[in-house]
Amino acid sequence: DQQVKQNSPSLSVQEGRISILNCDYTNSMFDYFLWYKKYPAEGPTFLISISSIKDKNEDGRFTVFLNKSAKHLSLHIVPSQPGDSAVYFCAASAFGAAGNKLTFGGGTRVLVKP
Amino acid sequence: DAGVTQSPTHLIKTRGQQVTLRCSPKSGHDTVSWYQQALGQGPQFIFQYYEEEERQRGNFPDRFSGHQFPNYSSELNVNALLLGDSALYLCASSRAGPGELFFGEGSRLTVL
Repeated sequence: DQQVKQNSPSLSVQEGRISILNCDYTNSMFDYFLWYKKYPAEGPTFLISISSIKDKNEDGRFTVFLNKSAKHLSLHIVPSQPGDSAVYFCAASAFGAAGNKLTFGGGTRVLVKP
Repeated sequence: DAGVTQSPTHLIKTRGQQVTLRCSPKSGHDTVSWYQQALGQGPQFIFQYYEEEERQRGNFPDRFSGHQFPNYSSELNVNALLLGDSALYLCASSRAGPGELFFGEGSRLTVL
């Protein structure tokens, strides 16, 4: 039972354009959502998070949107840069504590072309 | 400020053997979680340690066990290795309560 799904395994975008990554979840108990970026041979690096009491959180070029009724969140990267090429994981946790167990999606590989 | 450090980075074992992986958390962190990442998949939660006790556990068999020491470092032990245990094992640390997890670079285990 995959509680967090990233339906697009890969995404290719031109440098300077917007990258949109999508994530769906099924567990209504999830109340904290995070995005991580992973380069080869490195551990995942925290990117941005959002609590279920919000519908948007912005940090520089990165914005996460949460639609609780649809159980859907998305990550927007504007403008995309070649250094953004990596695998992006969506993750969710229950009870408002990111220090708790995280449930990850399968990842989306992003390639930003110069 | 050292981040999360894991050892060894790579190791090869044969079926039936046992393995111990080690993790030192980021300075100031007291909670350690372990994740297994199979090829092409997202990380899967194994268990979490806080105050030297297992606080949460994912859907992994008892062959997977762990320990947290008074200095907050942690070990992951896997007994009776199976081919399917081949994966990247990630350690993550955090402070108790809300806040993101900080991951190490992982230990790549290959079981032959």
